[in-house]
Amino acid sequence: DTGVSQDPRHKITKRGQNVTFRCDPISEHNRLYWYRQTLGQGPEFLTYFQNEAQLEKSRLLSDRFSAERPKGSFSTLEIQRTEQGDSAMYLCASSPIKGGSTGELFFGEGSRLTVL
Amino acid sequence: QKEVEQDPGPLSVPEGAIVSLNCTYSNSAFQYFMWYRQYSRKGPELLMYTYSSGNKEDGRFTAQVDKSSKYISLFIRDSQPSDSATYLCAMRNNNAGNMLTFGGGTRLMVKP
Repeated sequence: DTGVSQDPRHKITKRGQNVTFRCDPISEHNRLYWYRQTLGQGPEFLTYFQNEAQLEKSRLLSDRFSAERPKGSFSTLEIQRTEQGDSAMYLCASSPIKGGSTGELFFGEGSRLTVL
Repeated sequence: QKEVEQDPGPLSVPEGAIVSLNCTYSNSAFQYFMWYRQYSRKGPELLMYTYSSGNKEDGRFTAQVDKSSKYISLFIRDSQPSDSATYLCAMRNNNAGNMLTFGGGTRLMVKP
């Protein structure tokens, strides 16, 4: 499978715990995005990397959220001190430079977070 | 008010019908317009994209953009039960980096 891979697919945690999601993009794609999607809503942009550089961050990304992309390959999204409002699907997407300019993002199947 | 508005549906049609899905937007700076399809518990997949105004056709799908009215549409001809999914419109401003702004999605059900 050469698509975008996300792990875990589903995480259930208690409020206050930390969680980390991993995304492995399509290997030749140098752009990587994180989006959040709640039930019945469209995805909301969180952050974007070009290679290892984090170039954009949404104001939705509070200081409890941190994302990294060491060596420009896989990426991790960590949420510290989770709150019930963090319950959502966290989507990762990747694109080559050209695709990123036109909106051709390739999404993974998402990591669903449930905070009890 | 959201930047991109989309009727959530659900929209239920019989197999073979022509489906019209629409989005309105408020930011006149949007230049790239996309339609994504999302099946239940899956990530969105790109169906169509257009730059600025005009029409684009791909098989059974036609995308239309009317920038003067800030209105975009996706038409599906000869709809099939396999088209049952949520359809998300998305837009991008060339001056706002690489962020896509999505509508809330319209759930489509095509009944055999």
